[in-house]
Amino acid sequence: QKEVEQNSGPLSVPEGAIASLNCTYSDRVSQSFFWYRQYSGKSPELIMSIYSNGDKEDGRFTAQLNKASQYVSLLIRDSQPSDSATYLCAVNMVPPGGKLIFGQGTELSVKP
Amino acid sequence: GAVVSQHPSRVICKSGTSVKIECRSLDFQATTMFWYRQFPKKSLMLMATSNEGSKATYEQGVEKDKFLINHASLTLSTLTVTSAHPEDSSFYICSAQWGQNYGYTFGSGTRLTVV
Repeated sequence: QKEVEQNSGPLSVPEGAIASLNCTYSDRVSQSFFWYRQYSGKSPELIMSIYSNGDKEDGRFTAQLNKASQYVSLLIRDSQPSDSATYLCAVNMVPPGGKLIFGQGTELSVKP
Repeated sequence: GAVVSQHPSRVICKSGTSVKIECRSLDFQATTMFWYRQFPKKSLMLMATSNEGSKATYEQGVEKDKFLINHASLTLSTLTVTSAHPEDSSFYICSAQWGQNYGYTFGSGTRLTVV
């Protein structure tokens, strides 16, 4: 089993819709979870971090974490064409500050 | 915010030569940096963890004699691809964490092409 798994997509949503991205991880003791956005040919940029169970909202983005299910998700409300990118889920392996392991990424396409 | 500067952004080299990639933390001290490589349409694969003042820790399957990592100061880590071959062509990215509960910030990446 891969340490961090995502649906590779592509995920296509119309402009203005909600995009839902999902991620599962295998290490039960992982403590820090991140969502990055990566445009083609560029390095990843941090969108959200989440450390405790529940929801965390930042603008149009909401991260959800369920440690019991080892599941983390990202919702993008009012999707815009500029949101079209690959979204990478990343998990910080214990101890904190240790290596960050990435899922394979989900390609999101927002159609005007 | 924390900035990691990576150079060069692009390099083309001949097969058999060595290439050095630099990664600098500009406004914070990074005792640990991470080196990743990424193939087209693939995710980031962790190559090694670079520790200031000590030897790097390599992931399984990564040749430490081929990918030399030096972390001589709290703000600089370098990755040298030795005796490069076309299969080493990839996108190399460095990263560092700038606080206990902050995300990891990434360099802009280096596109290496070996001809």
